[in-house]
Amino acid sequence: DSGVTQTPKHLITATGQRVTLRCSPRSGDLSVYWYQQSLDQGLQFLIQYYNGEERAKGNILERFSAQQFPDLHSELNLSSLELGDSALYFCASSVGASGSVLDIQYFGAGTRLSVL
Amino acid sequence: LAKTTQPISMDSYEGQEVNITCSHNNIATNDYITWYQQFPSQGPRFIIQGYKTKVKNEVASLFIPADRKSSTLSLPRVSLSDTAVYYCLVRGFQKLVFGTGTRLLVSP
Repeated sequence: DSGVTQTPKHLITATGQRVTLRCSPRSGDLSVYWYQQSLDQGLQFLIQYYNGEERAKGNILERFSAQQFPDLHSELNLSSLELGDSALYFCASSVGASGSVLDIQYFGAGTRLSVL
Repeated sequence: LAKTTQPISMDSYEGQEVNITCSHNNIATNDYITWYQQFPSQGPRFIIQGYKTKVKNEVASLFIPADRKSSTLSLPRVSLSDTAVYYCLVRGFQKLVFGTGTRLLVSP
């Protein structure tokens, strides 16, 4: 168990809908990262938050947004869903902002999103 | 855009040593190299991290040459349970680039 908690484990929805994925980081970690992994694809970095502020942005679509709350949990919001958004969404956390030797990322078990 | 490439797949037998190489030509001075293992429908699991030369822990070794443009994950005496996808990650300040992943199949 990595200590990173993601909910829900599975989510089934229809095209055009909006969903929210939730992540609780490991105790003491200030950074949260979101990744997308489509079927048989690699890990695509979406966005990083550090202590409530956006720190780095990857290949995140405009239909997607995220935030990190004062208690450090994070939510990833996906709207106007398309079939191609079906994927595993992973959250990871680290102590700092990713630039130091201590900032090893630990991953949650993921949320499997199916858009029908 | 920085590219981090790995062989698509590798085959091995139980008890053999496996070396998986990651190419990261655009690595910056302050970037770290991390390796993860991923089983189907699970989150990546941390294996080892390094900056230069050699790092070793209880499950793997990591070799990084002086120019740091590549790194090699070494798994000693693999078992069937090591069948998984292995990813390298080059990370730095506002920079996170995962490799393309290597699917390792270990046979009896």
